[in-house]
Amino acid sequence: DTEVTQTPKHLVMGMTNKKSLKCEQHMGHRAMYWYKQKAKKPPELMFVYSYEKLSINESVPSRFSPECPNSSLLNLHLHALQPEDSALYLCASSQDLGRFRKRGTNTEAFFGQGTRLTVV
Amino acid sequence: DAKTTQPPSMDCAEGRAANLPCNHSTISGNEYVYWYRQIHSQGPQYIIHGLKNNETNEMASLIITEDRKSSTLILPHATLRDTAVYYCIVSVNAGNNRKLIWGLGTSLAVNP
Repeated sequence: DTEVTQTPKHLVMGMTNKKSLKCEQHMGHRAMYWYKQKAKKPPELMFVYSYEKLSINESVPSRFSPECPNSSLLNLHLHALQPEDSALYLCASSQDLGRFRKRGTNTEAFFGQGTRLTVV
Repeated sequence: DAKTTQPPSMDCAEGRAANLPCNHSTISGNEYVYWYRQIHSQGPQYIIHGLKNNETNEMASLIITEDRKSSTLILPHATLRDTAVYYCIVSVNAGNNRKLIWGLGTSLAVNP
């Protein structure tokens, strides 16, 4: 199983709503990522979790709240979003670099198909 | 702080080789070059990566210059399904993890 599964595929929410995006992988990867992608732009890193701990927060506004309940799941909780937050939200996973650093091994990140979010 | 530069678009005839260039003149010695592609409305897909040596897998070949300041992704026999945006990426270490610094991508159109 080399899939990263994201739900829902599409989401429309109002600016006062609270919603959550979900991501799941069963590859035994210990690093998981959230990216945001606007149209015709490359993905932008938001958060990185390593061994279920938040490792990187790229100065993301607090209206985005990540959560990693276990090594297979990653959530992104959304609250009081703005229309400009409308984008494709991508989840990815990879083997954690730290375990392989001495061997110089790099492994690829596997991406989900994304959640298309529209804030109205 | 873009680390890679790519042409915004390219065309290729079906069945011919597609050669996608990338400049990464500020790359550091321990930073890898990765290539991903993204077909419309899908998640990015890993293609290949390398550090110094040329690499080949079932999808593509990666040619890295000796000074590591540029590289070329080669799709040996492009098909219509290879139409996608191809991203050249530098992978940098960030603590116990790895950050991908994405270029702006090359939109490759494979024509019949």
